[in-house]
Amino acid sequence: GQQLNQSPQSMFIQEGEDVSMNCTSSSIFNTWLWYKQDPGEGPVLLIALYKAGELTSNGRLTAQFGITRKDSFLNISASIPSDVGIYFCAGQLVDFNKFYFGSGTKLNVKP
Amino acid sequence: EADIYQTPRYLVIGTGKKITLECSQTMGHDKMYWYQQDPGMELHLIHYSYGVNSTEKGDLSSESTVSRIRTEHFPLTLESARPSHTSQYLCASSERGYGYTFGSGTRLTVV
Repeated sequence: GQQLNQSPQSMFIQEGEDVSMNCTSSSIFNTWLWYKQDPGEGPVLLIALYKAGELTSNGRLTAQFGITRKDSFLNISASIPSDVGIYFCAGQLVDFNKFYFGSGTKLNVKP
Repeated sequence: EADIYQTPRYLVIGTGKKITLECSQTMGHDKMYWYQQDPGMELHLIHYSYGVNSTEKGDLSSESTVSRIRTEHFPLTLESARPSHTSQYLCASSERGYGYTFGSGTRLTVV
């Protein structure tokens, strides 16, 4: 299957700090999604991006669809303890039926 | 409010037993998916369906089988459970061009 390289693999930050994570691929994607997963739960969609260069915000979260269509970035500003979880990127190719997931970024926030 | 439901949430079962994990969605989505995920790790697609009577194997080989007799229902069956099947199983559905909605998952332990 397609390979999405998500980094960093894990992060340990202090409450109040900003966070950045990204996904890259050798393939061109039509859609990028960012999910958050809490322990023992299913992933929940945070932000969806549908156009190259698109910059979309959801509260303290901001995500961008890379201009080359091969990457995407997620930023979290002023982190809080409830931001703890695993963040997954997902990209969709021209086949509109399937998404490919990154390996996840584990975020830990120290109060 | 979840529109995709998975049961049971947790299941502990002995080796050799047959089990069925249930997944139902009320959104009328044609496309449904099963992912396998070890705790804190990446998601692996094991089965998907584009509609009634359509099922395909995913990127990760699995001994499980699925059926899609009704649009809203996509059960996964293991004929003979083994300890290597211990994992979390996540069901998802989507509309064309939009992101997945995930269920809360079934945490399976085979002893």
